[in-house]
Amino acid sequence: DVKVTQSSRYLVKRTGEKVFLECVQDMDHENMFWYRQDPGLGLRLIYFSYDVKMKEKGDIPEGYSVSREKKERFSLILESASTNQTSMYLCASSPLGIGSSYEQYFGPGTRLTVT
Amino acid sequence: AQTVTQSQPEMSVQEAETVTLSCTYDTSESDYYLLWYKQPPSRQMILVIRQEAYKQQNATENRFSVNFQKAAKSFSLKISDSQLGDAAMYFCAYRRPLETSGSRLTFGEGTQLTVNP
Repeated sequence: DVKVTQSSRYLVKRTGEKVFLECVQDMDHENMFWYRQDPGLGLRLIYFSYDVKMKEKGDIPEGYSVSREKKERFSLILESASTNQTSMYLCASSPLGIGSSYEQYFGPGTRLTVT
Repeated sequence: AQTVTQSQPEMSVQEAETVTLSCTYDTSESDYYLLWYKQPPSRQMILVIRQEAYKQQNATENRFSVNFQKAAKSFSLKISDSQLGDAAMYFCAYRRPLETSGSRLTFGEGTQLTVNP
């Protein structure tokens, strides 16, 4: 069964802390993604990676960085958390390809609160 | 850049009735995919249905069907015989098929569907 797991369901951090959100997939997918979800804004892409050590900026990369040292793991890093980064963070993965069947599979999300 | 718009933040339907969720998009491309995702209270995103732009026939998956109007750039989701388990946030999404670096999705704002018993 396809599985994407995220390290925490809920996380509370203080302003200025360095925050790591971890995502692991067990499907041997090449592509991995980080989104943030906010009410009225839908999901917005922060960063994605199409191979180990490769990354590309999404639509809202400011204030975030990512790391992909192994194929199955994709980390989102908030170097210095701020209150405007309070949000739901969703990780997804998909196989490499251009066909219609290459859908994205999502993790359960991490609700991050920065106080 | 592509944009996706869902103009209905909230919708409600009576159990066993039919409801239609609206989605419009903007793109200059001719080939692409459109998708509807469901996010129940568990927060797990589930792909409901997918439509290839080059196909004229509307996609159907059991009680879920779409009305794809390419010229109007409209992609609505129809849920027939609504069930309590259909209550969720629904997201419309756009995907480019020829993008090798990620097949990234562009999402709409979401529509919260309530099903009343």
